[in-house]
Amino acid sequence: SQTIHQWPATLVQPVGSPLSLECTVEGTSNPNLYWYRQAAGRGLQLLFYSVGIGQISSEVPQNLSASRPQDRQFILSSKKLLLSDSGFYLCAWSVALRKAFFGQGTRLTVV
Amino acid sequence: LAKTTQPISMDSYEGQEVNITCSHNNIATNDYITWYQQFPSQGPRFIIQGYKTKVTNEVASLFIPADRKSSTLSLPRVSLSDTAVYYCLVLKTNAGKSTFGDGTTLTVKP
Repeated sequence: SQTIHQWPATLVQPVGSPLSLECTVEGTSNPNLYWYRQAAGRGLQLLFYSVGIGQISSEVPQNLSASRPQDRQFILSSKKLLLSDSGFYLCAWSVALRKAFFGQGTRLTVV
Repeated sequence: LAKTTQPISMDSYEGQEVNITCSHNNIATNDYITWYQQFPSQGPRFIIQGYKTKVTNEVASLFIPADRKSSTLSLPRVSLSDTAVYYCLVLKTNAGKSTFGDGTTLTVKP
């Protein structure tokens, strides 16, 4: 069966520090991969999606970037975090079917 | 991407049937209607998906009228553990490339 791993679960980082969140998917090939951010009490905002290795589309201009070095690995990065980058970050995957499967998320607090 | 409108919140009691309606007036021919459930500090979980008429699985039922401009998620005999946020989405083949609204916060009371 397919599984998605996202880590770390929680992270506290100072303003101006770098960020790297990793997501990996098991049990499937060539998935579409996504990064979402969720503000407290709000819905999910799509940040990036990828349909293949090295193919990244950005939905919202921001202080973040994404990379897909391997078929089932998706990384969310920042060179210098801002306070406004705080939030709940979710990775998701889909293959052909019209539904996405989400990881457990990373709670990022920028202080 | 079709815009959806849902009630912000709903209250219910254990054992009752809960119906959450979503409006999607500009749904396109290729769009599917999908519902997710999210608990605090967890990723959304797929509940059910449909294109038209009625779809039922072990968790819920989804009712879609002929014009497809709305849909209703039906949860039979809810329990306290069904307290969560429920999101309605309409999307084409690229399942994750969609915008989640603020969802409906369902609170089930004893």
